[in-house]
Amino acid sequence: QKEVEQDPGPLSVPEGAIVSLNCTYSNSAFQYFMWYRQYSRKGPELLMYTYSSGNKEDGRFTAQVDKSSKYISLFIRDSQPSDSATYLCAMSEGGTASKLTFGTGTRLQVTL
Amino acid sequence: GAVVSQHPSWVICKSGTSVKIECRSLDFQATTMFWYRQFPKQSLMLMATSNEGSKATYEQGVEKDKFLINHASLTLSTLTVTSAHPEDSSFYICSARGGSGTGNRDTQYFGPGTRLTVL
Repeated sequence: QKEVEQDPGPLSVPEGAIVSLNCTYSNSAFQYFMWYRQYSRKGPELLMYTYSSGNKEDGRFTAQVDKSSKYISLFIRDSQPSDSATYLCAMSEGGTASKLTFGTGTRLQVTL
Repeated sequence: GAVVSQHPSWVICKSGTSVKIECRSLDFQATTMFWYRQFPKQSLMLMATSNEGSKATYEQGVEKDKFLINHASLTLSTLTVTSAHPEDSSFYICSARGGSGTGNRDTQYFGPGTRLTVL
């Protein structure tokens, strides 16, 4: 079993839709939960991170962590074609600049 | 700010040769850099953590004699794949922990990656 599971997609949604991306994990020691966005031929870019359980909102993006279920989500409201990318969840025990364990990434396509 | 570059962006080499990949933090000093590898349809896997001026720490299952890492300065780390074989063909990405200069110390900034194909 992989430490972090993420549906690879692809996920195709119309512009303006609410997108839900999620990951499950098995390591209960993970404390930091991150979402990265990766455009084609570019490196991953940190979107947002959450420490422990709870919600965090940043503009159109909301991250949720449920440690009891070992389940994290990223919601994108009012999705735009520019949101089309691969979204990777990542987790660590010791902080966002420490060893990261990634999911496989979900490829998102937002269509006009 | 907080830009990380990698060179080359892609490389094709013959089996048995060695390939060097460079990772540079352009506008900040990075005492710690990380090297990841990604096979098709798989997740980014950490290979090693590199600290400036000291030996790299390799993850379990990564051969340190095959993947040589040198972090000789605060802005440059290199990964050398020695005696490359077709199974080493992969996407190699580095990241740098933000340090003095631009960048957040609590964030890893990723390079664009290097596609290695070994024939």
